[in-house]
Amino acid sequence: KQEVTQIPAALSVPEGENLVLNCSFTDSAIYNLQWFRQDPGKGLTSLLLIQSSQREQTSGRLNASLDKSSGRSTLYIAASQPGDSATYLCAVRGGTSYGKLTFGQGTILTVHP
Amino acid sequence: NAGVTQTPKFRVLKTGQSMTLLCAQDMNHEYMYWYRQDPGMGLRLIHYSVGEGTTAKGEVPDGYNVSRLKKQNFLLGLESAAPSQTSVYFCASSYSISLAENTGELFFGEGSRLTVL
Repeated sequence: KQEVTQIPAALSVPEGENLVLNCSFTDSAIYNLQWFRQDPGKGLTSLLLIQSSQREQTSGRLNASLDKSSGRSTLYIAASQPGDSATYLCAVRGGTSYGKLTFGQGTILTVHP
Repeated sequence: NAGVTQTPKFRVLKTGQSMTLLCAQDMNHEYMYWYRQDPGMGLRLIHYSVGEGTTAKGEVPDGYNVSRLKKQNFLLGLESAAPSQTSVYFCASSYSISLAENTGELFFGEGSRLTVL
């Protein structure tokens, strides 16, 4: 059974810092890994998706990497801003059948001015 | 672009009442999902569908039923609501991953907040 763990559970940083969020998974037979952002009371917004054959994806100040063999992904946020404050979730899609998705519990990020 | 739309956004029910949550997507996605999100429990899959006319159970299906009569719609029903079903419900959809060119990127609705008294 796939298990996804996100560390840390919560993170508080001053504005301008570069930071790294971690996601680990137990079964390396994945189709892709997706990072989401969730604001309080809102739905999940897709940030980055990395296919199993890829090593990293970038979008603006965000960079996500994938090391499938070690079961790890990191989300790097450069020059953090108060507007980045949200919960960040990673989800792993299995590589067989319909591709079952397994979510981590999320990292609550607070960026203070 | 509408993307994934859920209705209603808020609902309060009394124990024993029934209701249906509607999810509609306009991206021609094959796969659709219903999740519930509870504090400390994360997102848990209730039911899913891999195509029109097909449905399957997820991790926590008890007390819920679903139907996918049209490709763009996925309905979640509560036949006899219980307080334990108080939660935020999310619908999501994606293209099928049976085709190599599909990324399987998942898109979510804004959520439906259900309270059962």
